[in-house]
This record gives sequence, C-alpha cells and structure tokens, in this order.
Amino acid sequence: AQSVTQLDSQVPVFEEAPVELRCNYSSSVSVYLFWYVQYPNQGLQLLLKYLSGSTLVESINGFEAEFNKSQTSFHLRKPSVHISDTAEYFCAVSEGDSSYKLIFGSGTRLLVRP
Amino acid sequence: GAGVSQSPSNKVTEKGKDVELRCDPISGHTALYWYRQSLGQGLEFLIYFQGNSAPDKSGLPSDRFSAERTGGSVSTLTIQRTQQEDSAVYLCASSLGHWDTQYFGPGTRLTVL
Repeated sequence: AQSVTQLDSQVPVFEEAPVELRCNYSSSVSVYLFWYVQYPNQGLQLLLKYLSGSTLVESINGFEAEFNKSQTSFHLRKPSVHISDTAEYFCAVSEGDSSYKLIFGSGTRLLVRP
Repeated sequence: GAGVSQSPSNKVTEKGKDVELRCDPISGHTALYWYRQSLGQGLEFLIYFQGNSAPDKSGLPSDRFSAERTGGSVSTLTIQRTQQEDSAVYLCASSLGHWDTQYFGPGTRLTVL
C-alpha cells in the first residue's frame, strides 16, 4: 500500500535562509507526486506536481522539488524563504489506476522568523 | 472565477445527531472528491465521483458515512449518528477530469460534542 512520510512536523528557519522539507513515499508502481500548501486560515493549494518528464519541477514562487526514484523521495526546497512562506506543506502521492486518489503525508509546518 | 465552496464553514453538533455537509464544485468540473483532515489521521481520502460512473467509496470510514452528487454538480456528505471521533475538517475538491489538478474548498469544521 502507498504511504507518504514527512519526517519533520515543524521546520523553523530564519528569513532569507534556505529550506528543505523532506518527503518520502512507498509505492511499487509508477507514481505522481504533489506538494500542496495551506496558508493560515486558507484552503489547500497546489504548489507543484510531478507527473512525468523532467524530475525537477518548479513553482511560480521559487520552490522546487526533485523526484528521486531510487530514493523514493520528493523533497521540497527553496534557496531563500520569506516570512510569507510560513504555512503548512503537504506532500501527496497517487498511483496507477487510482491516480485520482491523493494519499497525503502528515504535513510539515514551515515557520519563517525575521 | 468562483472556486470550490463548502457550507457550513463550521458545524457543532451533539453526539448521535446526523449532519449534512455541502460542496459546490467549480463549474464544469466533472470530478469531485471528499477528504477529511483530523488531528489523529492527517488528510484522508473519503470518496470520489467522476461523471456518471459509480463513485469510489473506498475511503469512507464506516457505514455511517454516505455521499451523493446530484446532477453531476453539488455533493452532500452525510454522517449519521455522529461520534466524537468524527470531529475533523471535511474538505471537498474538484477537478476537470481525474488527471487534472484538484482544487480544494475551504472546508467544513465539524465538532461533535
């Protein structure tokens, strides 16, 4: 069965520092990978996704994630964070014939301090 | 354009009562999903509707939970004989088709006393 692990429940970081939010998944078939963000008092929004092709995907606000099949990982990175990046970040996976069914990790709260 | 809307935004009920949660998907989206976000379980898939196909109910936690989608648009999630463990935020999402990005609504926070 698929599962998604986000080992860090909270990541505190200073503004303008780099950050990496870790995500590992378990699956025996081809997967599709997603990062969703939930800003305070807002709904879930898609940040970026990997479906196929280039293993490095980017978002419009400077985040990127790299699909690493051998390590079954899809870590999210940003070279320099802003206060406004403070939010909860969820990694999700779907696979095969059930590609509509998102399996989410437990979330990582990114706390950016001035 | 309008996003996914859900009502009510908050619902407080007593144990044993039935509740109905409503979702209005984005116009033209054929796929609709319900998820649950709770402290103990994180974000869980509940049910999926795609057009006129039979829904995938594999994520519903018990037979007290049911959902319907009328006219291929609005969906209602019904929880009968609510229990305290049903307390959670219930999220609805919709997409153009099942391969497409899922857009989430703001959720309904359900509290069972």
